[in-house]
Amino acid sequence: DIQLTQSPSSLSASVGDRVSFTCQASKDITDYLNWYHQKPGRAPKLLIYDASYLETGVPSRFRGSGSGTHFTFTINSLQPEDIGTYYCQQYDSLPLTFGGGTKVEIK
Amino acid sequence: QVQLVESGGGLVKPGGSLRLSCAASGFDFNDHYMGWIRQAPGKGLEWIAYMDIRGFDTYYAESVEGRFTISRDNANNSLFLEMKTLRAEDTAVYYCARDSRTKTFDPWGQGTLVTVSS
Repeated sequence: DIQLTQSPSSLSASVGDRVSFTCQASKDITDYLNWYHQKPGRAPKLLIYDASYLETGVPSRFRGSGSGTHFTFTINSLQPEDIGTYYCQQYDSLPLTFGGGTKVEIK
Repeated sequence: QVQLVESGGGLVKPGGSLRLSCAASGFDFNDHYMGWIRQAPGKGLEWIAYMDIRGFDTYYAESVEGRFTISRDNANNSLFLEMKTLRAEDTAVYYCARDSRTKTFDPWGQGTLVTVSS
């Protein structure tokens, strides 16, 4: 199984800050990686697919990058509605796996 | 709009069974693979099952293989998850999700809580 390790597990930043966090895969998954955002008490929502493509309707302050085993998610200008947990998910091979999540809070 | 609504969750004793349903609307259900993902209380996401368009090919996580069965009724735009021999560690919110592009889930339903406890 492919393991996905997200770092850090949590972070706190101010509104307007640029924040970044990473997802490390245990083997090369090329760009077969998605990013989801889960607000407290809600279902996850797809933000980024194929490592770097913004899902339709998702604000352009979100960005995904990387390939192979190392991926980065960036929020330019953090907004209050961005709080919650972000998960990466690989679809290179079954079983599909998710990272442990990065929880984003506002200072 | 695209909508997925799960139902069927509840409290069940260890060793018991439960059947979850997911009603889909707002898109052509027949054109999409579908999946189930769960989230234990306070924990992360775990993919558990996946099914092709016609229901011929199914895939399971090792943790549920042989105990859970995914199925679909394309005529009624519904996805199901039959769960047997339930364990305490199966306690979770269960989400159904549409495969919007290869093994990429969007959207997700609101989830249904399954609690396995005596």
